[in-house]
Amino acid sequence: DAKTTQPPSMDCAEGRAANLPCNHSTISGNEYVYWYRQIHSQGPQYIIHGLKNNETNEMASLIITEDRKSSTLILPHATLRDTAVYYCIVRVTRYSTLTFGKGTMLLVSP
Amino acid sequence: DADVTQTPRNRITKTGKRIMLECSQTKGHDRMYWYRQDPGLGLRLIYYSFDVKDINKGEISDGYSVSRQAQAKFSLSLESAIPNQTALYFCATSDAGQGRDGGDTIYFGEGSWLTVV
Repeated sequence: DAKTTQPPSMDCAEGRAANLPCNHSTISGNEYVYWYRQIHSQGPQYIIHGLKNNETNEMASLIITEDRKSSTLILPHATLRDTAVYYCIVRVTRYSTLTFGKGTMLLVSP
Repeated sequence: DADVTQTPRNRITKTGKRIMLECSQTKGHDRMYWYRQDPGLGLRLIYYSFDVKDINKGEISDGYSVSRQAQAKFSLSLESAIPNQTALYFCATSDAGQGRDGGDTIYFGEGSWLTVV
């Protein structure tokens, strides 16, 4: 699986959009971009995943660049409960496991 | 996720003791996983099982063993616990057949805190 690079920490004001970047310059054509988050030692929670098209669900939006070398997770209206470590993971779905890096610690402040 | 249940949730054990962490799931998923997390670090894969007859080592399997007793049950054992196995352990599950694009979303339990003294 390709490696990912994320900033170690980010801040966001409550109610504003949180944009979390991820670099995955060595991604292969059959690898998906997954995002998970972990709220203070709870089990990681699936957020969203995509291959090359932008994706949106009830939690977030995923924007993948045309060359697929980077992506951005967008939380449109961050709340205090979105404070968590966010992990960007690249994997070939179905045939591989999840390999976690250190992620980005997002702190949402009032 | 309440559909993935880990027991015990907290355990303190002594060095050299055998300890088993159990995981059961009601999701009907065929795949199960065990991860560990050390303070301030990401999760690392210990073992995984893609079906009842399939067991695979992850990146840190030394000192651990697993048993897939049934599709819904996957146990992790520390045969002789040592202090550096003190960590938060997560069980996870996924269904190979799910997803709009064939992708399998992996769901995690709430974790088991293990302290080896």
